[in-house]
Amino acid sequence: DQQVKQNSPSLSVQEGRISILNCDYTNSMFDYFLWYKKYPAEGPTFLISISSIKDKNEDGRFTVFLNKSAKHLSLHIVPSQPGDSAVYFCAGSGNTPLVFGKGTRLSVIA
Amino acid sequence: DGGITQSPKYLFRKEGQNVTLSCEQNLNHDAMYWYRQDPGQGLRLIYYSQIVNDFQKGDIAEGYSVSREKKESFPLTVTSAQKNPTAFYLCASSIDSGPRRTKYFGPGTRLTVT
Repeated sequence: DQQVKQNSPSLSVQEGRISILNCDYTNSMFDYFLWYKKYPAEGPTFLISISSIKDKNEDGRFTVFLNKSAKHLSLHIVPSQPGDSAVYFCAGSGNTPLVFGKGTRLSVIA
Repeated sequence: DGGITQSPKYLFRKEGQNVTLSCEQNLNHDAMYWYRQDPGQGLRLIYYSQIVNDFQKGDIAEGYSVSREKKESFPLTVTSAQKNPTAFYLCASSIDSGPRRTKYFGPGTRLTVT
């Protein structure tokens, strides 16, 4: 039972354009969501989070949108840069430890 | 610099041997976690500890054991009972175990068992 789904294993975007990474969840108890970025052979690093009482959170080039009724969230990166090329994990949390999706590999092409 | 240290970066073992992965943090965090990552998979929780001398099983605890004798240290032992031990292992910590607490990850240990 996959509680957090990232249905796109990979995404390629031109430098300077917008990257949109999507995430769906099934657990109605989740009330907090996080995005992590991971380079190969390194640990993930925290990127941005959103509480279920909000529908948007912005931090520089990164914006996360939450649609509770659709149980869907998305991460927007504008403008995309080559250094953004990494695997992005979506994670959800309720009253239990974080549950991670399988990740989406973003490639930003110069 | 505060952070999480995992050693070694790469570890090789023969099948049937137990192996212990090290995780140390100097962030003064109460909660520590062990995750496993396999190719094409997300991070799956093995064990977590909310406080010294206490730990709970995660989603895939079978074949693993942990201890938490010190706040700074949370070693993971991969036993011979673990059917598929080859994976990338990640240790994490957070200030406490509250679900909204950001987790900080170590650099990981890649374990290969042949």
